[in-house]
Amino acid sequence: EADIYQTPRYLVIGTGKKITLECSQTMGHDKMYWYQQDPGMELHLIHYSYGVNSTEKGDLSSESTVSRIRTEHFPLTLESARPSHTSQYLCASSKPGWGTENTGELFFGEGSRLTVL
Amino acid sequence: KQEVTQIPAALSVPEGENLVLNCSFTDSAIYNLQWFRQDPGKGLTSLLLIQSSQREQTSGRLNASLDKSSGRSTLYIAASQPGDSATYLCAVEETSGSRLTFGEGTQLTVNP
Repeated sequence: EADIYQTPRYLVIGTGKKITLECSQTMGHDKMYWYQQDPGMELHLIHYSYGVNSTEKGDLSSESTVSRIRTEHFPLTLESARPSHTSQYLCASSKPGWGTENTGELFFGEGSRLTVL
Repeated sequence: KQEVTQIPAALSVPEGENLVLNCSFTDSAIYNLQWFRQDPGKGLTSLLLIQSSQREQTSGRLNASLDKSSGRSTLYIAASQPGDSATYLCAVEETSGSRLTFGEGTQLTVNP
């Protein structure tokens, strides 16, 4: 069973607000990811991290930032929320995909559904 | 750039049928391929992961195959049940091991 948690599950805020979506995992995974998904649509990679102090931009990263100060924690921050940010945000983690014990399997949190008015 | 396509986009079957979901990818230099299930408004649950050196993986009523050379994977669901109704996504991890590329998913409905 995956142990990856996202908060808040649901958030409604006004335009211009700064928000941070939290993601924590207790599996000791090095790799973590943030995806954005609109209803019925494909996932888009926002940011990812190989480990502590490592962050990489994905396809939709220009309006958000992440940090990786601790292995278990990978928060996503929107400095100034806009209605176009209304979406579901999914956090995921995985072990490195090498070696017989490390399969690279990806575990997802339940998601944070953001609505910006 | 890797592109992942899933066919069909939606599928509706009566309970008990065996069915096949298809996934194709454009760059065969992949590290692994995963199949996920997503229920409405929820995150994704990993179903099966196939390493690039493997040809198939099985878990219960699910069997996933991988043909790297042709850029294809299939997810076979035996004796489908209403509880199998969900969106099924495939994703490939590129050789660098840094990111996954997802397909748009197949929305499956199994009717009682």
